[in-house]
Amino acid sequence: AQKVTQAQTEISVVEKEDVTLDCVYETRDTTYYLFWYKQPPSGELVFLIRRNSFDEQNEISGRYSWNFQKSTSSFNFTITASQVVDSAVYFCALSGGGSYIPTFGRGTSLIVHP
Amino acid sequence: GAGVSQSPSNKVTEKGKDVELRCDPISGHTALYWYRQSLGQGLEFLIYFQGNSAPDKSGLPSDRFSAERTGGSVSTLTIQRTQQEDSAVYLCATSPRRTDTQYFGPGTRLTVL
Repeated sequence: AQKVTQAQTEISVVEKEDVTLDCVYETRDTTYYLFWYKQPPSGELVFLIRRNSFDEQNEISGRYSWNFQKSTSSFNFTITASQVVDSAVYFCALSGGGSYIPTFGRGTSLIVHP
Repeated sequence: GAGVSQSPSNKVTEKGKDVELRCDPISGHTALYWYRQSLGQGLEFLIYFQGNSAPDKSGLPSDRFSAERTGGSVSTLTIQRTQQEDSAVYLCATSPRRTDTQYFGPGTRLTVL
């Protein structure tokens, strides 16, 4: 069975702080995909990144960066110099291998105060 | 191009009534998922369609819930004899392939009085 754990239920930071959202996953599959989605207060989930299990290169996109470590089964997401517009619920998800039904974590609510 | 659309955006109904929620996928996306998200909660998988294959209904919470996908395109989620605990946001997501990135619609907020 697959499992995604986002241990941080809610994080509160002040604008311009860096913040890391943790994601730990469990799977017996050797081929799988990891995702991060953002759900702003408006409600619509927005895709941020997709990473396959064979690519452990970290990725940076503007203020966003992702650290994928198979050794610790983690796929953490860092926002540098956070902004109020980053306030949202962020979901980590896992799919592929033997299951075509993605498994989502429970989400981390990020609140960025001005 | 156009994204996933859902209608209605909001639905208020009385307990015991039936409701239909619609999802229009991105053209060419063969995989379609329905999820339910209760206030402040994560995503609860309901049902999955892949092409013309039989749907995976393993997430449907009761036999009051059903879904169809006509012609591999538009999908309708039907809830019969709605209960107050059915109140939630119902999200539709589609993807080009079953393990690929999911693109979500804006959701339908269902309120059962």
